[in-house]
Amino acid sequence: SYVLTQPPSVSVAPGQTARITCGGNDIGSKSVHWYQQKSGQAPVLVIYDDSDRPSGIPDQFSGSNSGNTATLTISRVEAGDEADYYCQVWDVTRDVIFGGGTKLTVL
Amino acid sequence: EVLLVQSGAEVKKPGESLKISCKGSGYSFSTYWIAWVRQMSGKGLEWMGIIYPGDSDTTYSPSFQGQVTMSADKSISTAYLQWSSLKASDSAIYYCARLVGTGAKQWLSSWGQGTLVTVSS
Repeated sequence: SYVLTQPPSVSVAPGQTARITCGGNDIGSKSVHWYQQKSGQAPVLVIYDDSDRPSGIPDQFSGSNSGNTATLTISRVEAGDEADYYCQVWDVTRDVIFGGGTKLTVL
Repeated sequence: EVLLVQSGAEVKKPGESLKISCKGSGYSFSTYWIAWVRQMSGKGLEWMGIIYPGDSDTTYSPSFQGQVTMSADKSISTAYLQWSSLKASDSAIYYCARLVGTGAKQWLSSWGQGTLVTVSS
């Protein structure tokens, strides 16, 4: 089955830009979605269909997808952005596929 | 506003049965797939399967096929996840989520708050 690979952790200083990658074979041909999960909370959708933001999600969150890598970019990072982030795609066999998750640490 | 409200935390013994619920509101419950996702302590998200409340069509992840049963009662806008004989390894938080989109573009737009299941002797 299809595999999504994320780095276990990413660290960034406040005010800087964080980039979290999600690797997969020809992932650029798929639609990628991203979820934020803060400690002790349920996941929240922050990006869908590669680069669209749900209502209520600030424009500091953006996404891109090309080739074998999709990227979630978080600009002007603040302490409140510290969380686990998961990428997800839909497989033709009616499977939801998640990446392993990336822990974002704000230094 | 779309809401998914899950049943409360459960503490069970190995071998016991359990059924947890997920009640939807703020949208047409029958016409959107509901996904179930497991998260073991300190681990990532695992997709368990999906159910279409309109006709109870289901697809299970191979990892969970035969281990759990998904069902739904569209008359009360509620989906269920059940176990016939729990194991300690079933201890986890279980989330339900609404699946939206079409074709190859489908994602989980709204999530329940999670149900913590603890299985211990």
